[in-house]
Amino acid sequence: DAGVTQSPTHLIKTRGQHVTLRCSPISGHKSVSWYQQVLGQGPQFIFQYYEKEERGRGNFPDRFSARQFPNYSSELNVNALLLGDSALYLCASSLAGGATVWEQFFGPGTRLTVL
Amino acid sequence: GENVEQHPSTLSVQEGDSAVIKCTYSDSASNYFPWYKQELGKRPQLIIDIRSNVGEKKDQRIAVTLNKTAKHFSLHITETQPEDSAVYFCAASSGGGSNYKLTFGKGTLLTVNP
Repeated sequence: DAGVTQSPTHLIKTRGQHVTLRCSPISGHKSVSWYQQVLGQGPQFIFQYYEKEERGRGNFPDRFSARQFPNYSSELNVNALLLGDSALYLCASSLAGGATVWEQFFGPGTRLTVL
Repeated sequence: GENVEQHPSTLSVQEGDSAVIKCTYSDSASNYFPWYKQELGKRPQLIIDIRSNVGEKKDQRIAVTLNKTAKHFSLHITETQPEDSAVYFCAASSGGGSNYKLTFGKGTLLTVNP
């Protein structure tokens, strides 16, 4: 029973570079959300996608973008990296749809270090 | 937007004692309140959740209570064990279906001493 998977596990980049993070949701889940977790803080919402459409965006600059593919996997892209982008990037998947709020299940995260 | 406050930031208890973590939220439209446990270097794991039409929910040693009027909810862990040691996050969500987000508290580091 595969859970949410993310790649890569760890990543080291330098300021100004670009990074792409990937996420595969639980089979059957149609919604993917991205969160940034800075050390010692709770996760902060970046994006939510459902059926390949952006359904929510958090308070992050335009350097952050994402997309969802027909197989419901997702990519998070960050351009012009800053030192402050160093964090654990978490992907969460949920069934979504209908009127109810669905449980979100998190992947193991990608640890991004910007030097 | 939604704001979630969580207290205390650290909590140390003896094995077998109870632990209580409290959260308040600001958006009266919030209708879903999950709790996550995150061990060092691991992913946040959903341990229990409660919806706004319920006042209390229990799962073995873990219980959550919700007071919609006061806009606060709490996690109760009874008979704590060393393996309960972790960071616990509360969260709140409004909306539903295919359009919602979780707003998290800053976390509580729970240490259970043998």
